[in-house]
Parts: sequence; structure tokens; C-alpha cells
Amino acid sequence: DAEITQSPRHKITETGRQVTLACHQTWNHNNMFWYRQDLGHGLRLIHYSYGVHDTNKGEVSDGYSVSRSNTEDLPLTLESAASSQTSVYFCASREHMNTEAFFGQGTRLTVV
Amino acid sequence: DAKTTQPTSMDCAEGRAANLPCNHSTISGNEYVYWYRQIHSQGPQYIIHGLKNNETNEMASLIITEDRKSSTLILPHATLRDTAVYYCIVTGTASKLTFGTGTRLQVTL
Repeated sequence: DAEITQSPRHKITETGRQVTLACHQTWNHNNMFWYRQDLGHGLRLIHYSYGVHDTNKGEVSDGYSVSRSNTEDLPLTLESAASSQTSVYFCASREHMNTEAFFGQGTRLTVV
Repeated sequence: DAKTTQPTSMDCAEGRAANLPCNHSTISGNEYVYWYRQIHSQGPQYIIHGLKNNETNEMASLIITEDRKSSTLILPHATLRDTAVYYCIVTGTASKLTFGTGTRLQVTL
């Protein structure tokens, strides 16, 4: 069955380090998204991509970057991790605007 | 994307229908209404979506008012496993989904 997977599921890193969270989907969806979720907040959009070599900033993109070199993967990079980036991160993919989005199981990142 | 308003929390007895309202008074003609839910700390799960007609699937029914300014998600026979945060999202030509804070549904015995 097609799926979307995130790795790692849990990570602890130190302030200032570069961290990359992986997201891989096997549906061949063009649209991929990264969200973060903090206590008391809903999901907030970080970055998204509508296809290979396309990337766009979401509402909380500062300190994050993404690249899309193929259809299946959208890695999220924290250039210099900060304690404020401690959060749960969710990746999602979607075929097009009138279809359901599928979410990964999340990555819990702790920056110490 | 149009803004949505949902109650912060609701309770429902197990076996009864859960009716979750959503107000989207600024919705435009090409925008769809989507419902997702998030159980505990899992990734959000798609439930149902519609444009203007009522929709039903194996999980739920979606009732959209004729003027499209509000909608109701109906879980016909709620179970404890339906305890979750339910998100109503209105989205148009952009593929991205913008989440609000949702409704926390607590199903009780």
C-alpha cells in the first residue's frame, strides 16, 4: 500500500546544530507540506511544494528550509536549531486541491 | 482561504450522534469544506469534504447549508475511539490546508 513516512520519529539535538527531518511518500503526489504543532496551537504550515524544484514559504518558515529534488521526498532542514523549534512536525501529501491529504505519523523534535 | 469558527469543545455520549458545527460565513463559490480529525498526537486523518451538496461516507456525514455559510459534521454513532480534535477547513484553489484550533470532542460512556 502507498504510504507517507517520516523519520526519525523522535530526535533530540543541541542548539545551533543543523537538523534534517525526512518525509517520503509513495503516492507520487505533487503536493507536499510540512507543519509544526505546539501545545495549545493547531497545525501551522512551515513550507510546501507543488512539484519538483518548487518550494513555498508558509506562515512560520523562519529558520527552516526545504528542497524538492524528486516527487517522493521533501526534507525539512533546520539550519541552526533553536529551543523555540522544539515541536512535533508533520509532513503531508496531496494529489491536488480537491483530494484528501495524507499525513505522516509525526517527528517529535527536542532542541536542548 | 475563508476563516472558520468552531466551538472549542463538545461532549457526546457513546452511541449517540455527534454533531459538530462549523461557521464559514466568508466562504467563496469555489471553496470546499474539509473535515479532518486528530486522535491524541497522531497525524491528522481525513474524514470528508464537500462543495455544496451533502456528503456521506463510511465515517461521517457532512451537511452544508444552502447559503454555504455553515456546515455540520455528523458522526452517527459515536464511540470512544472518536474522541479527538476535529478540524473544519475551507480551502479553494490553493492546495495547502490551513488549520485552526478545532473542536475537541470527548465521547463518554
